[in-house]
Formats: sequence, structure tokens, C-alpha cells
Amino acid sequence: QVQLRLSGPGLVEPSQTLSLTCAISGDSVSSDSAAWIWIRQSPSRGLEWLGRTYYRSRWYYDYAVSVESRLTINPDTSKNQFSLQLRSVTPEDTSLYFCGRVSHNSIPYWGQGILVTVSS
Amino acid sequence: DIVMTQSPDSLSVSLGERATINCKSSQSVFHRSDNRNYLTWYQQKPGQPPKVLIYRASARESGVPDRFSGSGSGTDFTLTISDLQAEDVAVYYCQQYYHVPLTFGQGTKVEIK
Repeated sequence: QVQLRLSGPGLVEPSQTLSLTCAISGDSVSSDSAAWIWIRQSPSRGLEWLGRTYYRSRWYYDYAVSVESRLTINPDTSKNQFSLQLRSVTPEDTSLYFCGRVSHNSIPYWGQGILVTVSS
Repeated sequence: DIVMTQSPDSLSVSLGERATINCKSSQSVFHRSDNRNYLTWYQQKPGQPPKVLIYRASARESGVPDRFSGSGSGTDFTLTISDLQAEDVAVYYCQQYYHVPLTFGQGTKVEIK
């Protein structure tokens, strides 16, 4: 059974970098049948896909246009996890953040969610 | 981006009755290469991540009660909850994975009348 454990700060100051980590158990971040994603949810934006990474002989990365200049997703094979780094955050980045694993073109596995507030 | 539009935004249904939620995509999410619609339905309860109910438009996820069913193809899809139970109170979302970025509908809130 795949489990995802999300960790990171709940409060980030404006203009700083938000860093979150999603630890994987029951699967490998290097799996050639998985994709690993980040999604956030807010009352104003609803459920918003941020980006994904996956391994098919090499690593691939896709980012939402709205954040691609500020976002990096990194897999860490040594720790079997993947991370999100969102730079230059503003209060508009305040959201509930989720990590997830894609299977059958849907997301059956989700991290528990972490509420991140951007405020000084 | 593919825009997903759900209707209605909310509905109240009596216990034991049927709830019907519609989802329309701005372009087809039918994949000819594998003859599948890349459309998923989720249920989300407060404080929890979304849970897959239906994937590929009509395939029920393991463990999901058979009162949940999905139908439709191309751009128009429906989630039906027959015999509504108290535990079905939640927000329901459709989502497409035909094209990146993956996009969700705005959600439909189901309540008990």
C-alpha cells in the first residue's frame, strides 16, 4: 500500500522560499509506472495542479504555467521522496498543499495535506 | 488548459434518493489510442484529501460502494449517487488527465435535505 507523508513549515514569510517534502513508502520514486505530483487547494483557486516529476529512463518535469518560473520539483532517490520548492512566495500562495501519486490517470494516493500560510 | 465545469454548485437530496452531478470539459478527454476517457471523480470531506470514486469515467475504484456510478464520454460526464446516505455528504470534483495541466472542476457540494 502506497503511503505519502508530507512535511514542511506551516508558516512562510513573504518573498521567502516554501519547501515541502513528500516521503514515499510502499513504492519507489523511480518507479517507471508512477508520476509524482504537487497540488494545492484554496477557496479562491480551488484544486490547482502545480507540477509533476516522473522517471522513464530519465527524469521528466512538468510545471503549471502560473508557477513555473518559481517552482522546482526534485526527486531524491536516496531518501525515496520528492520535494517542492516555491520561491518568492506571496500571500496568494497561502493554501493547503498536497503531494500525490498518479495511477490509472487519476490520483488514488495523497499525502495528508499541509496548510501553508504566507505572512510576516 | 482544459476547463472543467460542474453543475450544479450544490444540491440537497433526501436520504435514499438520487444525486446527479454533471461535469463538462472544454475539449474532449477521450483518448483514441486506448479508447478511454481520462476523467476521474473524487469525493472530499472536511480535513481530508480527495478520494477517488470513479476513474476513466466509469470504473469504480476498489472499495467504493456500488451506489456510486459514472457515465459519459468525450466532453460530458455524470456522477450518480443512488440511495444517498448520510456519509455521502461531501464535495465532489471531476478532474481530467488528458492534458497537462491536470485540471479540476470547481466542486459540487452535496447535502442532506
